Amino acid sequence: DIQMTQSPSSLSASVGDRVTITCRASQSINTFLNWYQQKPGKAPKLLIYAASSLQSGVPSRFSGSGSGTDYTLTISSLQPEDFATYYCQQSYSTPGWTFGQGTKVEIK
Amino acid sequence: EVQLLESGGGLVQPGGSLRLSCTASGFTFSGSAMSWVRQAPGKGLEWVSDISGFGGSTKFADSVKGRFTISRDTSKNMLFLQMNSLSAEDTAVYYCARITVFGVGQRGMDVWGQGTTVTVSS
Repeated sequence: DIQMTQSPSSLSASVGDRVTITCRASQSINTFLNWYQQKPGKAPKLLIYAASSLQSGVPSRFSGSGSGTDYTLTISSLQPEDFATYYCQQSYSTPGWTFGQGTKVEIK
Repeated sequence: EVQLLESGGGLVQPGGSLRLSCTASGFTFSGSAMSWVRQAPGKGLEWVSDISGFGGSTKFADSVKGRFTISRDTSKNMLFLQMNSLSAEDTAVYYCARITVFGVGQRGMDVWGQGTTVTVSS
């Protein structure tokens, strides 16, 4: 099974900061990588698919990049509504999808 | 409006069974693969099961294989998760999600329900 490891597990940042979250797969996943945002008590929301494609309706301050085993989610200028937990997910291997353990973005 | 609405969660004793439902609206349900994802209290997301658009193919996480079954009724726009032999480790919020193909094999879960809570306890 493919394992997904996110770093950091949590971070503190201020409004306006540039934030970067990384996700490493245990083997190459050929950009079959999605990013989700989850706020407390709410369902996850798809932000980025195929490593770098912005889901419809998602603000352009969110971007994704990467290839092979290493991927990055960047928030160019953190906004108050962006404080949440972020998860990466691989869709490369079957039978299942694997999520990273999550990165909690908190207010500094 | 594209929407998923789960129901059927509750408190169940260890070894018991529960059937979750997910009602879809606002999109062509029969053409969409669907998934169940769960989240234990204070923990991350765990994929549970998938079913293809017309129900011919199902997949399960090792943690639930042999205990859970997934099915769908396209005439009613409903997805189901039958959970048997439940244990405390199955306590979680269970989400249904739509799987969308974005092209060249790329897939993502682009629509989620609000979740239904399953608690396994005596």
